Amino acid sequence: TQLLEQSPQFLSIQEGENLTVYCNSSSVFSSLQWYRQEPGEGPVLLVTVVTGGEVKKLKRLTFQFGDARKDSSLHITAAQPGDTGLYLCAGAFGQNFVFGPGTRLSVLP
Amino acid sequence: ETGVTQSPTHLIKTRGQQVTLRCSSQSGHNTVSWYQQALGQGPQFIFQYYREEENGRGNFPPRFSGLQFPNYSSELNVNALELDDSALYLCASSPIVGTPGKYTQYFGPGTRLTVL
Repeated sequence: TQLLEQSPQFLSIQEGENLTVYCNSSSVFSSLQWYRQEPGEGPVLLVTVVTGGEVKKLKRLTFQFGDARKDSSLHITAAQPGDTGLYLCAGAFGQNFVFGPGTRLSVLP
Repeated sequence: ETGVTQSPTHLIKTRGQQVTLRCSSQSGHNTVSWYQQALGQGPQFIFQYYREEENGRGNFPPRFSGLQFPNYSSELNVNALELDDSALYLCASSPIVGTPGKYTQYFGPGTRLTVL
């Protein structure tokens, strides 16, 4: 059974702080996606990383895929209240996506 | 362009009952996937439909079944409801079937099912 772990489970920070959340697995994934989900809505795709060691930037968000394609990180610079939400990683394994349990981020003004 | 829509928004059922959830895929998308998201957890893959055929299934019992129609809309049916079936059910559509990660899934807002 593939298992994706995410840490921390919960994170509460002040506006303007930096943070990093992690996604780890013992399995190798052909690609990995990061989503953000807000209450009452479905997940929205932020980025897809495919190549080991790949780094992608999306404004204040930086995503990295581990060299062995088993782990990934999401770094947010100068967090804003609008970044509040559930951050999910999902690994592509065969025909399926396997989601982690998510990191619930709260950015306080 | 219309996004993914799901109905109903909320639903309350009792144990043993049957439920049908509906999903309209985004325009131009021929693949629909269904996920179950229990409270505090990430979505769990139930199954995927492509061109009206099941194209992959997660670890869910046969009482979870689905359909896809010629217009690519889809239904999720759950028979003999159990308390643990209480969850947010998400539908996601994509423009092409194939290797996950090579395409973008667009999620609907979900149906919140409560089983009493």
